Amino acid sequence: SQQGEEDPQALSIQEGENATMNCSYKTSINNLQWYRQNSGRGLVHLILIRSNEREKHSGRLRVTLDTSKKSSSLLITASRAADTASYFCATQGGSEKLVFGKGTKLTVNP
Amino acid sequence: GAVVSQHPSWVICKSGTSVKIECRSLDFQATTMFWYRQFPKQSLMLMATSNEGSKATYEQGVEKDKFLINHASLTLSTLTVTSAHPEDSSFYICSARSRLSYEQYFGPGTRLTVT
Repeated sequence: SQQGEEDPQALSIQEGENATMNCSYKTSINNLQWYRQNSGRGLVHLILIRSNEREKHSGRLRVTLDTSKKSSSLLITASRAADTASYFCATQGGSEKLVFGKGTKLTVNP
Repeated sequence: GAVVSQHPSWVICKSGTSVKIECRSLDFQATTMFWYRQFPKQSLMLMATSNEGSKATYEQGVEKDKFLINHASLTLSTLTVTSAHPEDSSFYICSARSRLSYEQYFGPGTRLTVT
């Protein structure tokens, strides 16, 4: 069953603006991961945040995790047209299975 | 970095035929491979988990006789869609996990169209 819910489903911004996507999940997790998918392509792993971490940075990406609210956010700063893609969160609990959210389709307009 | 390939990248087949999709880990040994299905504009749904040398574990609602999975070696898993129907048309993505890490590495996907 689907674990995560991304919010918003679609987001359209101008180049240079920041993009924030949220993800909520239902059960306890060991970690939460964010992936990017260009149209019709495979997934690219962006960042993993463990359940005992609250914030993580990687380049222009900033991920937060609030386990009390069972939610995470992905912030992309200074967005570029090349950031246009769908972004998925995925949770990993006691097993190695990844459970994906529904995704946010981000469009960055030049 | 770890690379996973899929073949073919796209395939069109007629209803009633079978199609085999290969998933290979190119530079590492994958003890576990995962098969996902993605419908247009939707998320990835895990279909099954395959471990090298043993039978695949299917998720609830996935017909194991229709989606045959074989993980014969540490670098290759195959998914065969048997007696394909138009509703099987989808994007199939595999991922592989090495024995050294819990991280999954994803293949580029295979688009199946059944006419």
